[in-house]
Amino acid sequence: SQTIHQWPATLVQPVGSPLSLECTVEGTSNPNLYWYRQAAGRGLQLLFYSVGIGQISSEVPQNLSASRPQDRQFILSSKKLLLSDSGFYLCAWSLRGYPGQFFGPGTRLTVL
Amino acid sequence: GQNIDQPTEMTATEGAIVQINCTYQTSGFNGLFWYQQHAGEAPTFLSYNVLDGLEEKGRFSSFLSRSKGYSYLLLKELQMKDSASYLCAVREGGGNKLTFGTGTQLKVEL
Repeated sequence: SQTIHQWPATLVQPVGSPLSLECTVEGTSNPNLYWYRQAAGRGLQLLFYSVGIGQISSEVPQNLSASRPQDRQFILSSKKLLLSDSGFYLCAWSLRGYPGQFFGPGTRLTVL
Repeated sequence: GQNIDQPTEMTATEGAIVQINCTYQTSGFNGLFWYQQHAGEAPTFLSYNVLDGLEEKGRFSSFLSRSKGYSYLLLKELQMKDSASYLCAVREGGGNKLTFGTGTQLKVEL
């Protein structure tokens, strides 16, 4: 069966510091991968998605970036965090040809 | 683009039935999803509708009317553990991107 991991679970970072969040999927090959952010009291906002290694599509202009160095690894990064980057970051995966997405446990980021 | 509307909050009684509505506007509808999200946790998949009609899965059912741009999630025999946010999400076109509504916070009371 497939599983998805995210770490860290929680993170507190100062404004202006860098960020690296990691997501890995097990039990499947060549998945589509997604990064979402959920701000307090708001809906899920798609940030990036990837259909393969090195292929990243950005949905929202921001100071974040994403990379996919391996088939089942998806990384969300920032060089300098802003207060507005605080939120719940969720990684998700889907199978080719099946539209449903399955979410990882999430990382709660607080920028102070 | 898409516009998805859900009620912000609902309250229901344990053992009762509750219907959570979702309306959407999209130019290339290709499926609607319902997810459940408990506070502080990740969303979990509940249902998927791409054709008109009712899909039943245990205590949960989901209905879709494409001509009306309307869906609902029906929860029967409510339990306290059903207190959560319920997210409606729409797939547009042939890709795998989903657009989520802001969610309906359901509170189940004794």
